[in-house]
Amino acid sequence: AQSVTQLGSHVSVSEGALVLLRCNYSSSVPPYLFWYVQYPNQGLQLLLKYTTGATLVKGINGFEAEFKKSETSFHLTKPSAHMSDAAEYFCAVSWVGGGADGLTFGKGTHLIIQP
Amino acid sequence: DGGITQSPKYLFRKEGQNVTLSCEQNLNHDAMYWYRQDPGQGLRLIYYSQIVNDFQKGDIAEGYSVSREKKESFPLTVTSAQKNPTAFYLCASSVTSGNNEQFFGPGTRLTVL
Repeated sequence: AQSVTQLGSHVSVSEGALVLLRCNYSSSVPPYLFWYVQYPNQGLQLLLKYTTGATLVKGINGFEAEFKKSETSFHLTKPSAHMSDAAEYFCAVSWVGGGADGLTFGKGTHLIIQP
Repeated sequence: DGGITQSPKYLFRKEGQNVTLSCEQNLNHDAMYWYRQDPGQGLRLIYYSQIVNDFQKGDIAEGYSVSREKKESFPLTVTSAQKNPTAFYLCASSVTSGNNEQFFGPGTRLTVL
């Protein structure tokens, strides 16, 4: 069965430092991969997605992620953290010919930005 | 503007009462989903619908019911059979079911007293 694991339920970085949120997936077929962000008491907003093509994907708010098939990973990065980046981040996976129930989500990583 | 609306934002109910959460979309999407979110547990799928007049149970459907009489609407009823209904509920839609990006509503926070 396909699954997604986010390493670290909480990640704390200083303002201006590199942000790295880890996501690993398990899939026996080519995956589609997504990162979403959730601010308190709000819905989820798509940051970026990988379906096919270039493995380095750029998203909104300066975030990017790289699909590494050999490592089954899709880590999210941002060169310089800003206070407004504090939020919950979810990695999600689907796959070619995937089930009708849509995306499988990780449990989320809470990003804390220290001033 | 196209999007998904959920109402109300906050909902309080007494234990033993059924309550219906509204979800409407004007994106012309075929597929719609309901998720429950609890702290530290991510999103758990309650029900999903691929097309009008059709829906399937997700991972935690017990104590919930849905209908899909119109393409735009996918209401969720939390029944008295749901043992722990206090949670944040999110509705989503996608162009079709499967591997497509999902668009989310703002959520409804249900508190059962």
